[in-house]
Amino acid sequence: DARVTQTPRHKVTEMGQEVTMRCQPILGHNTVFWYRQTMMQGLELLAYFRNRAPLDDSGMPKDRFSAEMPDATLATLKIQPSEPRDSAVYFCASGSSGGRETQYFGPGTRLLVL
Amino acid sequence: AQSVTQPDIHITVSEGASLELRCNYSYGATPYLFWYVQSPGQGLQLLLKYFSGDTLVQGIKGFEAEFKRSQSSFNLRKPSVHWSDAAEYFCAVGPTGGGNKLTFGTGTQLKVEL
Repeated sequence: DARVTQTPRHKVTEMGQEVTMRCQPILGHNTVFWYRQTMMQGLELLAYFRNRAPLDDSGMPKDRFSAEMPDATLATLKIQPSEPRDSAVYFCASGSSGGRETQYFGPGTRLLVL
Repeated sequence: AQSVTQPDIHITVSEGASLELRCNYSYGATPYLFWYVQSPGQGLQLLLKYFSGDTLVQGIKGFEAEFKRSQSSFNLRKPSVHWSDAAEYFCAVGPTGGGNKLTFGTGTQLKVEL
């Protein structure tokens, strides 16, 4: 049963520290999405990649957030420096492009910035 | 721009009762439509999806949804709810022809009374 995996599942850090979240998409999927979920804002799309190239990162605060795909099996989302308002659950989802794409979500990284 | 409205923030039903969760979308053409479920502390799991064809779509866990173009709706139904169905349910719309960016509704929290 292929699944999207995310690490770490939980992260507690202090304000100002760097946070790196990792995602392994389902093998064969060429599209990766990063979402953030909070009580106030719900699910927000931060960025997405196709074939490792960033297609849209308009939802991402550019000054502190960065997203990359070093290779087809790894996507990273980095926050530097982290702030308390970044506390949220960050989800990665993957899919395969070709018209009728369905996104499959990972379990999320629950981030708390103190 | 596409949008999704889930009018009910919270719904409570008794176990064994029928369920209908509402979803209305705004999109210029026939969209791709999805329902996801999120259990506490978990990622989003795909329940079902509509791309084209038969407007009544069957999903996992006994759920179904009906696409009604005239009403711009894609309501989720289940004839008999189980206590394990308590979760948050998200409707999402995506553009036909690919493009991949899903727009999610704000979710409906389902509580099941025993």
